[in-house]
Amino acid sequence: DTAVSQTPKYLVTQMGNDKSIKCEQNLGHDTMYWYKQDSKKFLKIMFSYNNKELIINETVPNRFSPKSPDKAHLNLHINSLELGDSAVYFCASSQARKGEQYFGPGTRLTVT
Amino acid sequence: AQTVTQSQPEMSVQEAETVTLSCTYDTSESDYYLFWYKQPPSRQMILVIRQEAYKQQNATENRFSVNFQKAAKSFSLKISDSQLGDAAMYFCAYRVQGGSEKLVFGKGTKLTVNP
Repeated sequence: DTAVSQTPKYLVTQMGNDKSIKCEQNLGHDTMYWYKQDSKKFLKIMFSYNNKELIINETVPNRFSPKSPDKAHLNLHINSLELGDSAVYFCASSQARKGEQYFGPGTRLTVT
Repeated sequence: AQTVTQSQPEMSVQEAETVTLSCTYDTSESDYYLFWYKQPPSRQMILVIRQEAYKQQNATENRFSVNFQKAAKSFSLKISDSQLGDAAMYFCAYRVQGGSEKLVFGKGTKLTVNP
């Protein structure tokens, strides 16, 4: 059973389009995250949700909008895609105050 | 703000040998977690080992162990009996206990294992 899953794993789209990435965790965790890994492999937090409530929004352009319908799901919607949005996006989850975060397989987004 | 520094962009090791990856961090907090994550070419982020700052004993997971020096803010990863499957990017990460609980990552060390 996959603990943290993301769909799609690959996404190729043109500039200006709107796209969504979905994330689901079956670990019963109450906190979920989105991280971005750039072309140099650097990982940086984008958003964090705890029990469907936004906790962190790390200076991410407002073209990026996370949505958490319930504590097992955290989706990422991106409007008006730009070339610089090309990256790998990782979803992760953890139980608050328990330490480790578990990552999904990542979504490689390519904007052409 | 917390920062994590991995000073070795690349390292290599012979199969069956031991290698140590370095990590230093900067924080004013006294209670936090530290992690090493492995990212093979499949790009999956795999948790290797964790250390809680209040624990003086160094964490160990099979062939992986850490040398945690809290006063020096150093958290190195030792891989013993290196295997070809250990080849990957290794990321050191810091997490504050409580608060935002986000992970702050170092830039990573690419480990090559030579047969």
